[in-house]
Amino acid sequence: AQTVTQSQPEMSVQEAETVTLSCTYDTSESDYYLFWYKQPPSRQMILVIRQEAYKQQNATENRFSVNFQKAAKSFSLKISDSQLGDAAMYFCAYRKYNNNDMRFGAGTRLTVKP
Amino acid sequence: GAGVSQTPSNKVTEKGKYVELRCDPISGHTALYWYRQSLGQGPEFLIYFQGTGAADDSGLPNDRFFAVRPEGSVSTLKIQRTERGDSAVYLCASSLTSAGGGSDTQYFGPGTRLTVL
Repeated sequence: AQTVTQSQPEMSVQEAETVTLSCTYDTSESDYYLFWYKQPPSRQMILVIRQEAYKQQNATENRFSVNFQKAAKSFSLKISDSQLGDAAMYFCAYRKYNNNDMRFGAGTRLTVKP
Repeated sequence: GAGVSQTPSNKVTEKGKYVELRCDPISGHTALYWYRQSLGQGPEFLIYFQGTGAADDSGLPNDRFFAVRPEGSVSTLKIQRTERGDSAVYLCASSLTSAGGGSDTQYFGPGTRLTVL
C-alpha cells in the first residue's frame, strides 16, 4: 500500500522568509504523480504544485518549488518570500499513474508571522 | 467559470438518520471523486466516477455508504443509518478527464461538514 508521511504537524515562518515542508512516501511503483495541496480555513483544497515521477526536473510555480528525490522517496515543498496569505494546511499527496485515488498525508499547518 | 460546489455546507443529523450530500462538478468534467476528511487528517478516498459509472468504489467504508451520478454530472453521496463516527468533512473533486497529462488534475469543492449527534 502507498502511504504518505508528513513529519511536521506545524511550521512557522516569518513573512518574506523561506520555509520548506517535508513529505516522504512509500511505493513500489515507478510511475506516479505527487502533489502539494493548500487548504485554507475555507476548507477548499487548492492545488499548489504537481510533479510527474518520470520527470527529473523539479516542478516550480512562481514562489513554490519542490525538491523531488525519487530514490529517497522524498518530495519537499519550498515556499519563497512567504506571504500572509500562504498560511494554511498543506497536504502532500500521491497518486499511482493508472489509478485515480489520491493518498494524502496528515498535513502540515503553516503559520506566517508578520 | 464556476468551481466545484457542494451542498449543504453543513449538516447536523441524529444517529441512525439518513443523509444525502450533493456535489456539482465543474461543467464538462467527466471524472468525479468523493473524499472524507476526519478532524486533523488528510482526505481519504471514497469513490471515483467516470461518467455515470462508479469506476472505483474501493474506499467506501461499508454498505451504509452509496453514491450515484445518474446523468454524468451532479453526484449524491448517500449515508444510511448514520453513526457518530461518520462525522467528518466530505469533499468532492472533479477533473476534466481521468487520463494523464494534466487534464486529470483534481479541483476540489469546499466540502460538507457532517455532524452526527
